[in-house]
Amino acid sequence: SQQGEEDPQALSIQEGENATMNCSYKTSINNLQWYRQNSGRGLVHLILIRSNEREKHSGRLRVTLDTSKKSSSLLITASRAADTASYFCATAARDYKLSFGAGTTVTVRA
Amino acid sequence: EAQVTQNPRYLITVTGKKLTVTCSQNMNHEYMSWYRQDPGLGLRQIYYSMNVEVTDKGDVPEGYKVSRKEKRNFPLILESPSPNQTSLYFCASSLQGGVNTEAFFGQGTRLTVV
Repeated sequence: SQQGEEDPQALSIQEGENATMNCSYKTSINNLQWYRQNSGRGLVHLILIRSNEREKHSGRLRVTLDTSKKSSSLLITASRAADTASYFCATAARDYKLSFGAGTTVTVRA
Repeated sequence: EAQVTQNPRYLITVTGKKLTVTCSQNMNHEYMSWYRQDPGLGLRQIYYSMNVEVTDKGDVPEGYKVSRKEKRNFPLILESPSPNQTSLYFCASSLQGGVNTEAFFGQGTRLTVV
């Protein structure tokens, strides 16, 4: 079953701008993870945030988690052409299974 | 280099002809899984394995089989492929499933069943 749902489905921004995408989920989680996928290739792990954490940073990435609202956001600052990709959130519950959303497609225009 | 290797990368086959997609990881991970990716549906889990000889169904297991005889390998078997199994398939491995560990993905296998 699809646990996470990303919003928006697609996003187009100018190079240098920030990109924000959101993820909502339905049930309690152990952690939430964000992955990037470049056109038709394998997913690459970006960041993991535990259920007891509220914010996490990694380079130009900032992830927030609000367990009361069952939502997370991924912010990419100062975007580059190489950030053009699809971004997926994945939730992990106690059953060790990762459940993915349908993804947000980000296009960074030069 | 830590990696998950899938083969083949591309495959076109005919309905009913048995096929196997191989997956191998070199990280000594316990947890491995197979996903299929279809437009607008994201990734859906087909089967997963928590260790050698331990496998279980994911969300969309119908028409698929798996085995885990060795820790490093987790092949996906389609006994009688049908056109609705045309999809992009990914194998993934992680140290302990989704519990506070990241998943490593293979490069994908694009399967077309005609």
